[in-house]
Amino acid sequence: DQQVKQNSPSLSVQEGRISILNCDYTNSMFDYFLWYKKYPAEGPTFLISISSIKDKNEDGRFTVFLNKSAKHLSLHIVPSQPGDSAVYFCAASDSGAGSYQLTFGKGTKLSVIP
Amino acid sequence: DARVTQTPRHKVTEMGQEVTMRCQPILGHNTVFWYRQTMMQGLELLAYFRNRAPLDDSGMPKDRFSAEMPDATLATLKIQPSEPRDSAVYFCASGLPLTRSYGYTFGSGTRLTVV
Repeated sequence: DQQVKQNSPSLSVQEGRISILNCDYTNSMFDYFLWYKKYPAEGPTFLISISSIKDKNEDGRFTVFLNKSAKHLSLHIVPSQPGDSAVYFCAASDSGAGSYQLTFGKGTKLSVIP
Repeated sequence: DARVTQTPRHKVTEMGQEVTMRCQPILGHNTVFWYRQTMMQGLELLAYFRNRAPLDDSGMPKDRFSAEMPDATLATLKIQPSEPRDSAVYFCASGLPLTRSYGYTFGSGTRLTVV
């Protein structure tokens, strides 16, 4: 039973355009959400996060939106650059459980075409 | 930059052999995770520790996997005996969740191939 789902295994976007990566979750206890970026042969690196008390968090070209009622979050990258080509993982945590462990989706491979 | 160090980076072993993977978390981080990445399952949590105490290892096959943290600078993941289905990339991550900064730092992983 996958609690965090990234339904698009891959996405191709032209350089300079917007990339939108989507993520859905099923566990209503999740209250903290993160996006990680992963290049080949490297570990995932933390990109941006959002608490459930917010609906938007922005950091430079990256913005994460959270729709709690729909149990959906998205990562917007504007403008997309070739260096953004990587696998993006959505992750969620239930801080109330006290474990702070992260449950990951399976990832979306983003290709930014020059 | 502080980093999580994992050794070895690559390991090829024969079925039935023991495999030990090591992780040096970032100094001062009190929480350490072991994740496994496969094509089918994505990133799966295997086990994690807080202040060196194991908190959850329900994601691990108990009969063959074991995780320990003998001291604050070393976490180990052992597979005995190894099987071809264990072939995957194993990641270690560390962090300080109680600071509300969940940006755990991952190591570069150990790519395990069991033949």
